[in-house]
This record gives sequence, C-alpha cells and structure tokens, in this order.
Amino acid sequence: DAKTTQPPSMDCAEGRAANLPCNHSTISGNEYVYWYRQIHSQGPQYIIHGLKNNETNEMASLIITEDRKSSTLILPHATLRDTAVYYCIVHGSGNTGKLIFGQGTTLQVKP
Amino acid sequence: NAGVTQTPKFRVLKTGQSMTLLCAQDMNHEYMYWYRQDPGMGLRLIHYSVGEGTTAKGEVPDGYNVSRLKKQNFLLGLESAAPSQTSVYFCASRNRAEAFFGQGTRLTVV
Repeated sequence: DAKTTQPPSMDCAEGRAANLPCNHSTISGNEYVYWYRQIHSQGPQYIIHGLKNNETNEMASLIITEDRKSSTLILPHATLRDTAVYYCIVHGSGNTGKLIFGQGTTLQVKP
Repeated sequence: NAGVTQTPKFRVLKTGQSMTLLCAQDMNHEYMYWYRQDPGMGLRLIHYSVGEGTTAKGEVPDGYNVSRLKKQNFLLGLESAAPSQTSVYFCASRNRAEAFFGQGTRLTVV
C-alpha cells in the first residue's frame, strides 16, 4: 500500500473552511484514498474516501488531483468539535488487508 | 447495532502477567485489526486477519499473539506483560470499504 505524507499540525478559525493536504505520490491505480479522524482518545472515525473523482458527503469534501498523487480534505465550516487528528490512508479494496496509519495532522479549530 | 465492541475497557496488569483482549464485530466483516496507540503517537498495527482462521503480523507484533477462530471475534493475547506494553489498544474491522473502530482498551502494566 502507498505511503502518505501529511503536515503534523494545522490551525483553523471557527466557521472557516479547513483544508487538510495529503501527499501519496506512490499510489497505484486500484488504490483508494481514505480519510479518518480521531477525536481526543476515541476510536478513529471514517470521514470519506475516493478513487479519482472528487467526493462530497455530509461531513466533508475530498479533492483528488488529476494525477492522484495528492488530495485535500475540506471541512467547509469548521467547528470546535472538528478539533481532532486527521489521518489520510491509501489502500486498495482487494489488497493484502493491511491498514497502516501514519502520524496524521492535528487540526486545532480556534474560536 | 453494536458495531465493534472491545472488552475490557480498562485493565491494570503486573509485569509478567498474561491477559486476552477481546474484539467482537457484528457486521460480518472479513478483515479485523489490532492497533496500539502510545501517548501523542499515531496508531501502529500489531496483527491483522483477512478472514476466519487466518492471522498476519503487522508493524509491531513482538510480545503479542492473536487468534481468529470465529469470524466475528479477534483475540489479542499478551503472554507475559511488560511495562512497554502500556498503551491504548484499538480494534477495527472492515470489508472492502471503510473500517469501523472500537472505543479502545486502556492497558497499564506496572
């Protein structure tokens, strides 16, 4: 599975959009980009995933570049409750089964 | 719908003691995982399973054993606990899409 690189931390003002980048330059054709977040010490929570098209759900939007080597998770109107560690992961739907997390990005939403 | 349930939620062990952590999922998922998370760190994969009766090593398997005798259960064992195994342990399960996580087991080895 491809490795991902994320900035260790980011700040965002409450009510503004939070844009979290992720690099995955070694992604292969059948691998999806997944985003999870972990609030405080809870279990990680799934946010969104995509293959090559941009995706949107009730939580966030996912923008994947045309070459698929990077992506951006967008929280359109960040709230204090969005303060969390955000993980970008790449894996295939029918891969070996491994699911490896990196260090993630700690997003601090400030009033 | 319970999702992924971890038992116990908290445990204190003495060095050298053994214990088993239980992960149960009711979603008929094929893949199951055990992770550990140390303070200020990301999740590290200990062992995983791609189906009933199969297990495989992850990034940090030493000191742990696992078993997947039933599809819905994934057990993590510590045969001789060490202080370095003090951590929060998370279990997860998935099919071909997103993973679902339990709420964690906080283990302290003294």
